[in-house]
Formats: sequence, C-alpha cells, structure tokens
Amino acid sequence: GAVVSQHPSWVICKSGTSVKIECRSLDFQATTMFWYRQFPKQSLMLMATSNEGSKATYEQGVEKDKFLINHASLTLSTLTVTSAHPEDSSFYICSARSLAGGPDTQYFGPGTRLTVL
Amino acid sequence: GEDVEQSLFLSVREGDSSVINCTYTDSSSTYLYWYKQEPGAGLQLLTYIFSNMDMKQDQRLTVLLNKKDKHLSLRIADTQTGDSAIYFCAERTGTASKLTFGTGTRLQVTL
Repeated sequence: GAVVSQHPSWVICKSGTSVKIECRSLDFQATTMFWYRQFPKQSLMLMATSNEGSKATYEQGVEKDKFLINHASLTLSTLTVTSAHPEDSSFYICSARSLAGGPDTQYFGPGTRLTVL
Repeated sequence: GEDVEQSLFLSVREGDSSVINCTYTDSSSTYLYWYKQEPGAGLQLLTYIFSNMDMKQDQRLTVLLNKKDKHLSLRIADTQTGDSAIYFCAERTGTASKLTFGTGTRLQVTL
C-alpha cells in the first residue's frame, strides 16, 4: 500500500516552454501533497504544500507564478514549471500525506528529472 | 530553528553493521523518520520513531533516539550490497506535517 506515482519520469524541454508533472496517490486518498526539488548530491528542498481544493502554500523564495500547483482531486496534484530555464533543471519529487494505519507519514513518488536546454 | 545534519559518507563491508547518525536542533520534533534513496529514484520510507520513544527495532533496522542530545541513529545489521544508497533522516514538527530533511548519508557497501 501507500504507492505514489509521478509522470513523466524524465523530461527534456527547450528554454521558455512549460512542463507539467503529475503526482498520483494510487491506493489511498491524500488531502495533502508536497512538492520538493533536489539538486545533485543535495538534500530535498520543500517547494510547496498542496491541499486538495485550495491554493498551495509556497515556501519562502519559491515563485508561485513560476511553479503552478493544482490539486484538483484527492489523488492527483500537478506541478507546472512555466517558462522553464536551464536553472530549473532539477529532480522534482512529490509526496503524499497518509494518515491511514500509522502516524502522519509522507510517501514519496519516484521523482521526475527535468532537463531544460 | 530547524537544522538537520548527517555525515556525508559511510563505507562498510558486507555483513558488518552500519550506523548512520543524525543530529537535529528542533526540540519540538514529534516524529523522526529514516528514508532510503537509490540512484535516480524517489525516497522509500524505512522506519520512523515517535519522539517519546528511545528505541525501535524493525527486522535488520534499529533506531535509537536520544532526545536530550537531539541525536538519532539508524543501525543496519548484516549490511548487504543492496543497502548501498543515500539515507536521509527527517523530522516532523508541529501540526503542519512538513518534514525537514537531513543532508543525507551515502552508504557504500563493499565486498
């Protein structure tokens, strides 16, 4: 149980284009999902907290107009990187919060590697 | 404040025990977690411990928590080559469910 998927697993795009990344909780409902980015050999940095049916809460320093988050259902959250630039190249990981059968725990997706040319 | 530190690298021989350490600064942590990340993959939850516990054992994994010193450790018994990965500790504080991750420890298992 507690499986989280991400799509696509990797994407290469040209500078200036927008890229959408999907995060799905497959076998549980998640009212809260989180989006992280991870640079090579570094830890995860929380970008935003996504709540179903409401606006996302962004961490300090994260541009909400650049990283658009939509949490339209209890099993799906999307992150759209708008007008992507090479410095946006990173590993993006989502997680979904589950309260079922244990403590408040986040289960992570496999990540999406974004490369902007 | 929130600051979670780990040593960067640990090398052990197959069959030996591995001990990965983590220190944190936020005394209001409620749960502490250990995650494993293999190359190019997401994070896999290994185990967690509630802040009022001192120890938790789960098969080959033993978690020790010293709340006074704000020190958390993960012991892997009989380490195997498949255990080679990066291990992150994380703390959860308050009711926001946000996690603060450590810097990660790369575990290398040699034959």
